[in-house]
Amino acid sequence: GENVEQHPSTLSVQEGDSAVIKCTYSDSASNYFPWYKQELGKGPQLIIDIRSNVGEKKDQRIAVTLNKTAKHFSLHITETQPEDSAVYFCAASTLGNLIFGKGTKLSVKP
Amino acid sequence: KAGVTQTPRYLIKTRGQQVTLSCSPISGHRSVSWYQQTPGQGLQFLFEYFSETQRNKGNFPGRFSGRQFSNSRSEMNVSTLELGDSALYLCASSLGDPNSNQPQHFGDGTRLSIL
Repeated sequence: GENVEQHPSTLSVQEGDSAVIKCTYSDSASNYFPWYKQELGKGPQLIIDIRSNVGEKKDQRIAVTLNKTAKHFSLHITETQPEDSAVYFCAASTLGNLIFGKGTKLSVKP
Repeated sequence: KAGVTQTPRYLIKTRGQQVTLSCSPISGHRSVSWYQQTPGQGLQFLFEYFSETQRNKGNFPGRFSGRQFSNSRSEMNVSTLELGDSALYLCASSLGDPNSNQPQHFGDGTRLSIL
């Protein structure tokens, strides 16, 4: 079955710096890759997603890139702000059920 | 537009009991998925329902079951509770057929503690 690995597990940046989180997946049939942000006491919130027919997608300060050949995808957050502090999860999907990475705890220091 | 609503938010049970968790999807969404979140195993897929039919199932024992009603609301049931079932149970809804990979939107979960 699908396996998703996510790195790093923790990431600390200064406010205004960029943050990059990377994920690899094992099933070449996976064709949908969402990213979620989870704050304490809340459920995961979808922040951006990308499908296998697209190499890059941007939404304001957030961007995701996908390399299907290498089977990896990355989340890029620019101009980080303290409110970006949270746990971020990547996921991969083939038939609708999401397989998640273990998460990255991002801390943005003012 | 209201989001995914899960009830109750917190639940305390003892070993051997059973529990039923409820999920109301976003209005108009017809697919509901359930996930278990623990510190050790992370987020793990339980099962998915679409049009009252289970379309997909994760690798969990038969003690975990679910159903979906005609209004798309869903329930999951865990019987013969074990200490290891302590977790945050998350429900996610999406618009249509699961095979089309529609974005899934999560509720805030039910925190289940087993004593």
